[in-house]
Amino acid sequence: ILNVEQSPQSLHVQEGDSTNFTCSFPSSNFYALHWYRWETAKSPEALFVMTLNGDEKKKGRISATLNTKEGYSYLYIKGSQPEDSATYLCAFENSGNTPLVFGKGTRLSVIA
Amino acid sequence: DGGITQSPKYLFRKEGQNVTLSCEQNLNHDAMYWYRQDPGQGLRLIYYSQIVNDFQKGDIAEGYSVSREKKESFPLTVTSAQKNPTAFYLCASSILRGPRGYTFGSGTRLTVV
Repeated sequence: ILNVEQSPQSLHVQEGDSTNFTCSFPSSNFYALHWYRWETAKSPEALFVMTLNGDEKKKGRISATLNTKEGYSYLYIKGSQPEDSATYLCAFENSGNTPLVFGKGTRLSVIA
Repeated sequence: DGGITQSPKYLFRKEGQNVTLSCEQNLNHDAMYWYRQDPGQGLRLIYYSQIVNDFQKGDIAEGYSVSREKKESFPLTVTSAQKNPTAFYLCASSILRGPRGYTFGSGTRLTVV
């Protein structure tokens, strides 16, 4: 059974703080690593799809890095805002055309 | 606009009754998936389908059934055999060849009373 771990489970930060969280995944049979943002009462929405070792992606104040050799990805949020409050999910895609395997998510609360 | 629609948003069921959750997409995606979320747990895969008239069990398929008679539709039936059906159910769809980023529905919260 594939295991995708996210840490921390939850995080409370002050507005303006920068923060980061981790996703660990199997380093074998890697195809892609997905990050989603899931706000309460909404559908999860895609943030990043990362496929290459050393890849770095950025969208506004949010960025992500990928290390496929050691099996981890970091998500960074610079200058957190209350609207960043959400659960951030990562999902591992293997090369075998099977469904994505999700971590349990990191729940971020940004306090104004 | 293309998207994926789940209905209903909230559903109450009496113990012992079967109930069917709807999932429809107009994205022309080949693959569709059903996940369940419980408090403190991640998304767990119930069933998935990669082609019409075919589907595969996920990690927690017991007590559930699905059908895929049309590409656009992948309904999930929660049967009376499912011991703990109260949960949040999320449907998703994707292309067949990767990277297979999912498009998600907005979910159905099922409560057994």
